[in-house]
Amino acid sequence: EAGVAQSPRYKIIEKRQSVAFWCNPISGHATLYWYQQILGQGPKLLIQFQNNGVVDDSQLPKDRFSAERLKGVDSTLKIQPAKLEDSAVYLCASSPGTGFYSNQPQHFGDGTRLSIL
Amino acid sequence: AQKVTQAQTEISVVEKEDVTLDCVYETRDTTYYLFWYKQPPSGELVFLIRRNSFDEQNEISGRYSWNFQKSTSSFNFTITASQVVDSAVYFCALFSGGYNKLIFGAGTRLAVHP
Repeated sequence: EAGVAQSPRYKIIEKRQSVAFWCNPISGHATLYWYQQILGQGPKLLIQFQNNGVVDDSQLPKDRFSAERLKGVDSTLKIQPAKLEDSAVYLCASSPGTGFYSNQPQHFGDGTRLSIL
Repeated sequence: AQKVTQAQTEISVVEKEDVTLDCVYETRDTTYYLFWYKQPPSGELVFLIRRNSFDEQNEISGRYSWNFQKSTSSFNFTITASQVVDSAVYFCALFSGGYNKLIFGAGTRLAVHP
């Protein structure tokens, strides 16, 4: 089965610019996650979708970050405007379960490495 | 509070040595799941194992083994006869229904030298 696809692989922008990341989860996976991984740290959940609805966005900095999952499949994560502290790897993951069955293993993409100058 | 602690930031071993990666977790939930993921230099997190809180049996998969002890809130990972391909960052993670999200530790970077 095809894995989680993410693009772009790398992105370099200047602070205050905008950037968008794209994710295509594994076919049939109901739950999609966006994580931020700062260098030297574990991934931190930004937002979780089940189908096209938001389940958890409590750790998403909503003044600058936004995400959507149209039609319950692909998702985009946007940062506008970017700050220096947003430099990180942005990982997308998906899993087949919903609700408490989100405890099933998550499948991760390769991530997008974002550098803010 | 939900928390995962991986006290070892970096471990360096020579090929064929055994190595244990420690993981200590905190949760007030009685039903929870513990995970280990491997992150090679390519960046993708690769799922290794999931263990639920009611199953304390140790698990072995090839050169990998996991020791789950609820009494000490630990879920340690041992690689036997390490190989250079085992070099990666390894993350322990916790999922509980009360929190409903996966919480990762800071990771342990393992370097296996020939």
